[in-house]
Formats: sequence, structure tokens, C-alpha cells
Amino acid sequence: GAGVSQTPSNKVTEKGKYVELRCDPISGHTALYWYRQSLGQGPEFLIYFQGTGAADDSGLPNDRFFAVRPEGSVSTLKIQRTERGDSAMYLCASSLLRQMNTEAFFGQGTRLTVV
Amino acid sequence: EDQVTQSPEALRLQEGESSSLNCSYTVSGLRGLFWYRQDPGKGPEFLFTLYSAGEEKEKERLKATLTKKESFLHITAPKPEDSATYLCAVRGGSGGATNKLIFGTGTLLAVQP
Repeated sequence: GAGVSQTPSNKVTEKGKYVELRCDPISGHTALYWYRQSLGQGPEFLIYFQGTGAADDSGLPNDRFFAVRPEGSVSTLKIQRTERGDSAMYLCASSLLRQMNTEAFFGQGTRLTVV
Repeated sequence: EDQVTQSPEALRLQEGESSSLNCSYTVSGLRGLFWYRQDPGKGPEFLFTLYSAGEEKEKERLKATLTKKESFLHITAPKPEDSATYLCAVRGGSGGATNKLIFGTGTLLAVQP
């Protein structure tokens, strides 16, 4: 696709439920990132994939959060037993990560609201 | 620990009134400094990448510059459509294989007609 695509654009769920957020990166981009952004704050790193593997998951806040990228393209961020504090904009970005061509391009995000 | 600080938090300008936004950073081995624009409820939109001190890049009314400790985003004769949050991020060499971007909290720019 022309850009990073995230679905759904909005998700409202009840406390305690399980949610999945999908990210479709730019075709050919091997690097994929998930970020979380609260109102008035900058994006906060969650996890980074290089290909199929999670090269850095140091930003995942706890074991309720998990992400996969089984074929090195589409990624899914999974949140178990959601809490009201999980409400935020979840952003996905992809990058080529080639020399002098390392910028990351973001999708429009998924606004998650836990009620 | 890699860190990014942006100032001011918010800036209100009159149309045509030029100004600069600041991004100070602490990083072990800079491997890129990035500027993004973010409109309300949208994802960040890529503007510039800078790699080494002394480098400058321009796009329309925006110019980004880089020193060893900070970057500036200069806005010349801004228009109301330049109103947005401007985010700065760095990619550093610490942490081994990671290529994550560390973001500042952004500067909220409002340009009044």
C-alpha cells in the first residue's frame, strides 16, 4: 500500500476484555514499530520488529501486552484484560532502515478507549 | 539514557511572524534526528531527517538545523495551516540492536490569521 494502514481507527471496549490492533506497513519495509501516545504527550515506544522477530520489546508495559508479526509484514498488537489506563492512541510505523534512509512513517493510529 | 526535550511546550504566533522551535537531546551515538508534524487525532507526518552537526534541510516555510546538542525548527512567515504539534525524535546507538525512536513531548504551534 501507499502508506501504513491501521485498523480499526477507533475501538471502544469494556474493562477486562481482549483487543487486537492491526498494522499493515509500507510494502518492503522490514522494520515495524508500535508506539502508544496519551493526550499531550509524545509517542512512547512499545516494541520494534526487524522482519518477523521482536528485536526490542523493552517498552511493553507488562505481560498483558503482546505483539506478533508472523510473516514479516502485517503486525498485530494484542492487549489482554484491558484496563482503563490502557486508553490511548496506538501508533504503528514502518521503516526501510537503509543507510541514510532511516525515517519511520506512521499510520493514522487506533484510538483505544477502555470503559 | 537517551532523552529529548522540546521547548516551548506551546507557541502562539501571528500569521507572518517567524520563530523557532527547540529540540535538545542527549543520546549515545546519534543515528538520526527526526522532525514530525502531528495534527489532532492523526498520526505523525514525517518532515525531516538530520544526521550530522551542521546539516540543514528545508521544506516550504520550514528549515531544520542540527548541532551536537540540539536541533531547531525555523518557521518563516507562518500561515494558519502550519498550526499543529511538532515532534522531535532521535535514534541513538545505545541498547545494541534497537532502532527505536525516542520522542519529545512536542511543541503545540498555533498561528493566528
